[in-house]
Amino acid sequence: NAGVTQTPKFQVLKTGQSMTLQCAQDMNHNSMYWYRQDPGMGLRLIYYSASEGTTDKGEVPNGYNVSRLNKREFSLRLESAAPSQTSVYFCASRVGISGNTIYFGEGSWLTVV
Amino acid sequence: GQQVMQIPQYQHVQEGEDFTTYCNSSTTLSNIQWYKQRPGGHPVFLIQLVKSGEVKKQKRLTFQFGEAKKNSSLHITATQTTDVGTYFCAGIKGNQFYFGTGTSLTVIP
Repeated sequence: NAGVTQTPKFQVLKTGQSMTLQCAQDMNHNSMYWYRQDPGMGLRLIYYSASEGTTDKGEVPNGYNVSRLNKREFSLRLESAAPSQTSVYFCASRVGISGNTIYFGEGSWLTVV
Repeated sequence: GQQVMQIPQYQHVQEGEDFTTYCNSSTTLSNIQWYKQRPGGHPVFLIQLVKSGEVKKQKRLTFQFGEAKKNSSLHITATQTTDVGTYFCAGIKGNQFYFGTGTSLTVIP
């Protein structure tokens, strides 16, 4: 049982390039999330999807887009990468609206130069 | 907007000393959860507190949820080197998780 799988694990981008971070979960969870983690800032929510077919902005959505492709997959796209988007990105999922545990992927380390 | 503050940001302790991290919310929470993130790893769920004034223990870890459901604490007794990492609280309100900024614990052997 893989849990939450995200790819790639490491990526270096040049300013202005685009890329998509992929995330898939095999736990049949309804809700999925994308967070970024920066030193001293904790985990900040970028976008989330409460259920298949819906997406909502979180705390820091600017510069990002998301797609809930199906129940399993939730991708995060950077259309024009900026150095301020250098961060560690975590995908996460949980069963649904009931305060259940969030399960995190292993993280994607992104550097924009 | 919703804010969850966590203190201290960093803590260095000698192995065997106790450690406490505190979490405070600007509003009343439904539940609160605690997560641990090892260096280079991802956050992993530790526990959830639901009831006002609730206290839960996991071996050397004691978790408390305040009476007003706006604050929480995690206390580790007699720290070990395996306790190293960052501890996050997460306040829950509806479908939203509000993570604290985390407390990074270093244990000196």
